[in-house]
Amino acid sequence: DVKVTQSSRYLVKRTGEKVFLECVQDMDHENMFWYRQDPGLGLRLIYFSYDVKMKEKGDIPEGYSVSREKKERFSLILESASTNQTSMYLCASSLVGGGTQYFGPGTRLLVL
Amino acid sequence: GIQVEQSPPDLILQEGANSTLRCNFSDSVNNLQWFHQNPWGQLINLFYIPSGTKQNGRLSATTVATERYSLLYISSSQTTDSGVYFCAVLNYGGSQGNLIFGKGTKLSVKP
Repeated sequence: DVKVTQSSRYLVKRTGEKVFLECVQDMDHENMFWYRQDPGLGLRLIYFSYDVKMKEKGDIPEGYSVSREKKERFSLILESASTNQTSMYLCASSLVGGGTQYFGPGTRLLVL
Repeated sequence: GIQVEQSPPDLILQEGANSTLRCNFSDSVNNLQWFHQNPWGQLINLFYIPSGTKQNGRLSATTVATERYSLLYISSSQTTDSGVYFCAVLNYGGSQGNLIFGKGTKLSVKP
């Protein structure tokens, strides 16, 4: 079974802090994704990566950056957290070519 | 871009009842997935079904790609089926596996 893990289930941060969210998958998937989920807005793609050191912007990349130094690990970085980044963050992975995406358990981030 | 619409937005069932959830999409797709999000937020894969019909226990799904819709059937519902059901599609010509999600159907199954 595919396993996607995220570094934290819950996080509380202060405005202006730098925040790192990490995601690890164990199935040698080429593609990895970061989404955020907000009530009434559904899931929206922030960034995705189709190979090590490769990344593409999704629908809402502003205020975020990503890092993929190893195939199994994809990090989402909030350079200076703001209250409007309070959300549920979900990581996913898939094989190249757009196959089934598998999701991690999510991180609920609260920015005060 | 491609639009994904799910209906109904909310559904309340008595345990044991059957239900059908619908997903309409506005353009050709080469990937369609159904997910169940449990009360803890975990998105669980139900079906990868760009076309045809699949069944898994009490759940089944049908996608009619030429008519741009997919249906998820839940039979003999149980309280553990409660949660939000999402449909997500990958548009032809989109970048590597870029899924677009509908807003979801929130299902509540009462004992």
